[in-house]
Amino acid sequence: NAGVTQTPKFQVLKTGQSMTLQCAQDMNHNSMYWYRQDPGMGLRLIYYSASEGTTDKGEVPNGYNVSRLNKREFSLRLESAAPSQTSVYFCASSEIGGTEAFFGQGTRLTVV
Amino acid sequence: KNEVEQSPQNLTAQEGEFITINCSYSVGISALHWLQQHPGGGIVSLFMLSSGKKKHGRLIATINIQEKHSSLHITASHPRDSAVYICAALNRDDKIIFGKGTRLHILP
Repeated sequence: NAGVTQTPKFQVLKTGQSMTLQCAQDMNHNSMYWYRQDPGMGLRLIYYSASEGTTDKGEVPNGYNVSRLNKREFSLRLESAAPSQTSVYFCASSEIGGTEAFFGQGTRLTVV
Repeated sequence: KNEVEQSPQNLTAQEGEFITINCSYSVGISALHWLQQHPGGGIVSLFMLSSGKKKHGRLIATINIQEKHSSLHITASHPRDSAVYICAALNRDDKIIFGKGTRLHILP
């Protein structure tokens, strides 16, 4: 049981480049989340998916797109990376109704 | 004002001390999580609470639903407990709202 798997762990992008962060969970959870973590800001929700095929904006969605093609996978895409998107990104999943939340190991992204 | 407030922001203590980290929230919740983030960055879920109290080893978490308050206690603290502890509330829309974390440093 791998839990939540995020890839890649590290990435350096040039301004304007695009990339997709992948997240997969094997716990059959309905809810999946993408967060970014910045010093002094805590974890902030970028996008959220309550179930397959649905997505909702979180606190800081600008500059990002997401895709929940199936129950297992929830990807985060940066279409045109900006230095302000330098951050550590975490994917998480949980079941509806308040069960334990599980986090991926994080992706450290630097945009130069 | 953040919907989930943690205190203190930073805490340094001597090995063996009893540690308390507090979390207050202003939203209706279905559950509250306590998370631990080690210097390496990985986040681990310690507890999920919807009422009462839970204990795991030297860690104890309590929640008072009426007062919208939760505490995380560490007994007989050890340097390996040094980490950031994050309170996270699962609101009724099934979104997780995080506190900003408490950075704990236990001195040997």
